[in-house]
Parts: sequence; C-alpha cells; structure tokens
Amino acid sequence: DVKVTQSSRYLVKRTGEKVFLECVQDMDHENMFWYRQDPGLGLRLIYFSYDVKMKEKGDIPEGYSVSREKKERFSLILESASTNQTSMYLCASSFLGGAYEQYFGPGTRLTVT
Amino acid sequence: QKEVEQDPGPLSVPEGAIVSLNCTYSNSAFQYFMWYRQYSRKGPELLMYTYSSGNKEDGRFTAQVDKSSKYISLFIRDSQPSDSATYLCAMSGPTGNQFYFGTGTSLTVIP
Repeated sequence: DVKVTQSSRYLVKRTGEKVFLECVQDMDHENMFWYRQDPGLGLRLIYFSYDVKMKEKGDIPEGYSVSREKKERFSLILESASTNQTSMYLCASSFLGGAYEQYFGPGTRLTVT
Repeated sequence: QKEVEQDPGPLSVPEGAIVSLNCTYSNSAFQYFMWYRQYSRKGPELLMYTYSSGNKEDGRFTAQVDKSSKYISLFIRDSQPSDSATYLCAMSGPTGNQFYFGTGTSLTVIP
C-alpha cells in the first residue's frame, strides 16, 4: 500500500514567518508533487520533482520554493508567509512516467495570520 | 478560459441512482484523463484513468473520454451512500508539468 505522509495536519503561522511543509513517500516513486487546494479553484500545481535535486515549476510557483535532497522526501518552503497562502497543501507522488497515477497525502491545512 | 471546467454541484441523488459527472477541457494536447475521489478531510484517491479516447469500466464505475468534443464523463451505477464525496477530474499532457484538476463536484447519495 502506497503511503504518503505529511508532517502536519494543521499549522498556524504568522505573516513573514518561514514555513516548511514536509512530505515523505515510501514507494520509491521518482515523481513528487506539491499542490494547493482552494474552494472554487480546485487543485493547482505549485512544483514537482522528477528526481533528487531536480524540480520544475507548476502553475503557481510564486512565493514558494522546494527541496528534494532524498528520493523519498519533498519539502515545500514558504520563504515569507503571507495571508494569501492560507490554504490546504497536498503532496503527491507517482512513478516516473506515471504522473497520471498520483498518490496523495492527507494534506496540511495552513493558516497564516 | 480555464484549462478544465467542472460543474461544482452539489449533486444529491437517492441510493441506487445512476450518477453522471462531467468535465470539459480546452487543451487538445491532454492525453491522460483521470478521476479522483476525495472524502472530507482526506487527500484525493485515484479512481481510474483513461489514455486517449474511449471507455473504461471498473465495477460500478465507467469513465468515458470524447476527445473530439473535449468532454469526459464518470458514471456511477447503483450509487451507494459510501460514494458520497467530491469527485475531481484531472488531465495531463505530454510533459510532467502539464497537469490540471477540475474544481470538483460534491456528491451526496441519500440512503
């Protein structure tokens, strides 16, 4: 059974703080993804990574960066959190060439005050 | 224009009904068409995917893709209360960062 875990279910941060969201998968997947999910906007891709230290921008990378030092771990970094980054953040993984079959974590509900 | 359009609902049906969920899209380069189910406070889970046009059946679920009309559908037969969830369509193109989700349709199946 594929398992994607995220470091926190709920997180509250202040404006201007640096925020780290961690994601770990146990299926040896090459691809990992970060999305945010907002009502009326659906899921939007922030970044994805197809290998260690490799990354590609998605639709909405502004204000975010990512890090992938190990195959199983993909981190999303908000350098200076803002209130418009309040959202549900979802991590996913898939095998290389199988981006159509993504496995999602439970999500992190981030509130920036 | 959004890449993917999906009616948000909500949709409410009696148990045993046939449910039809639909999405339209604008990018003819999309090759994979997926349906995900998301229960409240959970991450989405893949129900099924289709490559290019055609139908695919898995138990009570049938996915249809009509590339000429840029229209995809998910049919649920003999709907059950456990099918109550939000259903998201998703599509991907030939490159890894061409991946788009619909906004989701909320479905409630009433016992």
